[in-house]
Amino acid sequence: AQSVTQLGSHVSVSEGALVLLRCNYSSSVPPYLFWYVQYPNQGLQLLLKYTTGATLVKGINGFEAEFKKSETSFHLTKPSAHMSDAAEYFCAVSDDGNRDDKIIFGKGTRLHILP
Amino acid sequence: DTGVSQNPRHKITKRGQNVTFRCDPISEHNRLYWYRQTLGQGPEFLTYFQNEAQLEKSRLLSDRFSAERPKGSFSTLEIQRTEQGDSAMYLCASSLLGTSGRATKPGNEQFFGPGTRLTVL
Repeated sequence: AQSVTQLGSHVSVSEGALVLLRCNYSSSVPPYLFWYVQYPNQGLQLLLKYTTGATLVKGINGFEAEFKKSETSFHLTKPSAHMSDAAEYFCAVSDDGNRDDKIIFGKGTRLHILP
Repeated sequence: DTGVSQNPRHKITKRGQNVTFRCDPISEHNRLYWYRQTLGQGPEFLTYFQNEAQLEKSRLLSDRFSAERPKGSFSTLEIQRTEQGDSAMYLCASSLLGTSGRATKPGNEQFFGPGTRLTVL
């Protein structure tokens, strides 16, 4: 069975500082990995995804994530935090798109940006 | 059509009442998913449809829950005899699966609606 573990339910960084949100996954098949962001009272928005190929994936709003198979990790980073980045972030995994595409989400990490 | 819409956005009901939520997916999307999100948790898969066929149901979906997608377009999720534990955000998502059976893009992207927040008193 697939699963995702996000380390830290809350992360605080200063504006302009590096953002690092940690995610580790478990999957018996080559995974597809995602990061979603959820702003208050809004639905989930896809930030970026890893399917195949290049292990460093760039997404929207300056975020990127690196797939490390040996570490079963897919950490999300952004070089310089902005106040508008304050939101909840979900790491997620699914298996081959041929099948049910069911997405398994982590519990989320709430990112706080300090002025 | 700018995205997935869900109605109502908020629903407050008394325990024991029945409620129904609606999801309108992106118009050409043939797959539709329902998820439930409780406070402090990530979304949990409930069920999904390919066109009008319901292909999988989670163990989370008790007999009190039923979902339909009668014409392969919009979908409804009904909860009968609501309980306080049903209070949650109910999320709908849609995606497009290619006619060959493969996703049009690997890692089939699901587009999420804003959700319906249910409060059971």
